[in-house]
Amino acid sequence: GEEVAQTPKHLVRGEGQKAKLYCAPIKGHSYVFWYQQVLKNEFKFLISFQNENVFDETGMPKERFSAKCLPNSPCSLEIQATKLEDSAVYFCASSQLGEKLFFGSGTQLSVL
Amino acid sequence: ELKVEQNPLFLSMQEGKNYTIYCNYSTTSDRLYWYRQDPGKSLESLFVLLSNGAVKQEGRLMASLDTKARLSTLHITAAVHDLSATYFCAVDEGSGTYKYIFGTGTRLKVLA
Repeated sequence: GEEVAQTPKHLVRGEGQKAKLYCAPIKGHSYVFWYQQVLKNEFKFLISFQNENVFDETGMPKERFSAKCLPNSPCSLEIQATKLEDSAVYFCASSQLGEKLFFGSGTQLSVL
Repeated sequence: ELKVEQNPLFLSMQEGKNYTIYCNYSTTSDRLYWYRQDPGKSLESLFVLLSNGAVKQEGRLMASLDTKARLSTLHITAAVHDLSATYFCAVDEGSGTYKYIFGTGTRLKVLA
């Protein structure tokens, strides 16, 4: 597609529940990025992929967060045992060569 | 570790006035982006600045990059209400990482 598609738009979870977010990058883009935006500012880099390979995962809280980009499937970001502080908007972005990023509309995760 | 700071954090200005938003970063980088975010929306790419002295202009917005001073500016000329949004700069951490560190954002409100 011509835009980065993120689903769902909104996700509500109780503390301790699992959350899974999806991202379909723009067709032909090799790089996928996940960012977390807390309190309407503060974009935090989580992880990037080059095709199905992890490119940089230095921002991931590895104990509860995991991500995948498998061939012919949307990319996913999964949070096991969500905590209140995981409440944020999670943005996915894709890029053809790692340069200009095109962002999706985000998934608002609310942990209650 | 790359740190990116923007100032001001909040800016309220009258229509027709000029103002500048500043983006300082702490380590060498040669790739900087400016984004706009409307409330509840995704990020819209405004400018990419790739070299020292680069200047880009679009409508009432002009962005520049001084890599020696590690400073980028976003200048607003004769502001109009439609420019009200939050503006972010994002700096490439470098060394081919494609890891973009975002500034804190500047929330701009243009008063009619």
